Amino acid sequence: QQQVRQSPQSLTVWEGETAILNCSYEDSTFDYFPWYHQFPGESPALLIAIRPVSNKKEDGRFTIFFNKREKKFSLHIADSQPGDSATYFCAASLESSSFSKLVFGQGTSLSVVP
Amino acid sequence: GGIITQTPKFLIGQEGQKLTLKCQQNFNHDTMYWYRQDSGKGLRLIYYSITENDLQKGDLSEGYDASREKKSSFSLTVTSAQKNEMAVFLCASSGLGGSEQYFGPGTRLTVL
Repeated sequence: QQQVRQSPQSLTVWEGETAILNCSYEDSTFDYFPWYHQFPGESPALLIAIRPVSNKKEDGRFTIFFNKREKKFSLHIADSQPGDSATYFCAASLESSSFSKLVFGQGTSLSVVP
Repeated sequence: GGIITQTPKFLIGQEGQKLTLKCQQNFNHDTMYWYRQDSGKGLRLIYYSITENDLQKGDLSEGYDASREKKSSFSLTVTSAQKNEMAVFLCASSGLGGSEQYFGPGTRLTVL
């Protein structure tokens, strides 16, 4: 079974610190790697995604670092804010022309303490 | 923009009962998905559908049926509810090229 492993299960950082969330995958054919976030009581929503043509993708305070050789990717949240407190899911898929069958990690619960 | 609606928001059933969850989207997306979310286990794919009347099994399809009679709607049936079915069921959709999936608000299932 295709697997995406995520760590840590939970993470607490102080406001202003950089939070680092990690994922690894097994299937070398995967070519799309998104991060979703989910706030309590809400649905998951796409935060940022990367394709392996590059090893870094930035969007404001959020950066994905991608290592194809080691089959690992991570989400760095710079200058963490209490409003970033949520559960973060990494995922991976092999894109086709019509759909993306995502395999999700188990999630990291992030708490940012003021 | 668009929206995904799921009904009901909360569903309470008896063990052994057949239960149906419904999902509607107005994105005009081709592909729709059903996921189950258990605490601490992430999202697991139950069924997906690439187009109207298409059905594809996900990793967790045993014990479930699905139906895609219209492009805009996708239903999931729990064929015989079990106490360990208690979870949140999320519907999602994606457009052509399908990278980003948009999720509905979920149906929380409780089995008594």
